[in-house]
Amino acid sequence: ETGVTQTPRHLVMGMTNKKSLKCEQHLGHNAMYWYKQSAKKPLELMFVYSLEERVENNSVPSRFSPECPNSSHLFLHLHTLQPEDSALYLCASSEGLWRSGANVLTFGAGSRLTVL
Amino acid sequence: GEDVEQSLFLSVREGDSSVINCTYTDSSSTYLYWYKQEPGAGLQLLTYIFSNMDMKQDQRLTVLLNKKDKHLSLRIADTQTGDSAIYFCAESIRRRYSSASKIIFGSGTRLSIRP
Repeated sequence: ETGVTQTPRHLVMGMTNKKSLKCEQHLGHNAMYWYKQSAKKPLELMFVYSLEERVENNSVPSRFSPECPNSSHLFLHLHTLQPEDSALYLCASSEGLWRSGANVLTFGAGSRLTVL
Repeated sequence: GEDVEQSLFLSVREGDSSVINCTYTDSSSTYLYWYKQEPGAGLQLLTYIFSNMDMKQDQRLTVLLNKKDKHLSLRIADTQTGDSAIYFCAESIRRRYSSASKIIFGSGTRLSIRP
């Protein structure tokens, strides 16, 4: 399988649950990202990993916990979320952050999260 | 500052040209991008332009960049129903003291096509 794959595509959880979103890329990319997409708001960068090291953490609440065990996999662990965390969570990858050319992102289809 | 702004909606008649506009604030932008998001899908790169260019054409797509005004536009010629989607403008900036790039997106413009 090629491209960026996200699972699950849809997730409904209560505020006390613990769940995880998974992202996998088979493109040989070295950088991976989590973005949050909410209606009528700019796409919000949450975390960036480069060669499995976190290089960006955009003031994201600690109830979101990323994990990057290797350059092909990225997780977003969720616990004690709030209803306002309901959104589409998009994973993306790129060849690398340190290239001199355009940094083109390849996105997954997203995980639609609903927090009750 | 790091801000990318777009209008939320645009409606055009089938066959007409669509022009989607974007403004950005960071003068250190190196590349600017247009991504397309179709329903139920992630974002897909349409085209990008290097900051020292002022125009790029690719088939039905024309990108115009006015670096002085920090204004980017995407023109879609002969708009078709398949062009219905959300279009995101994004800028790539080099962070201070680092050569690593950071991508900042706008809120997206929803393009709808009327017959």
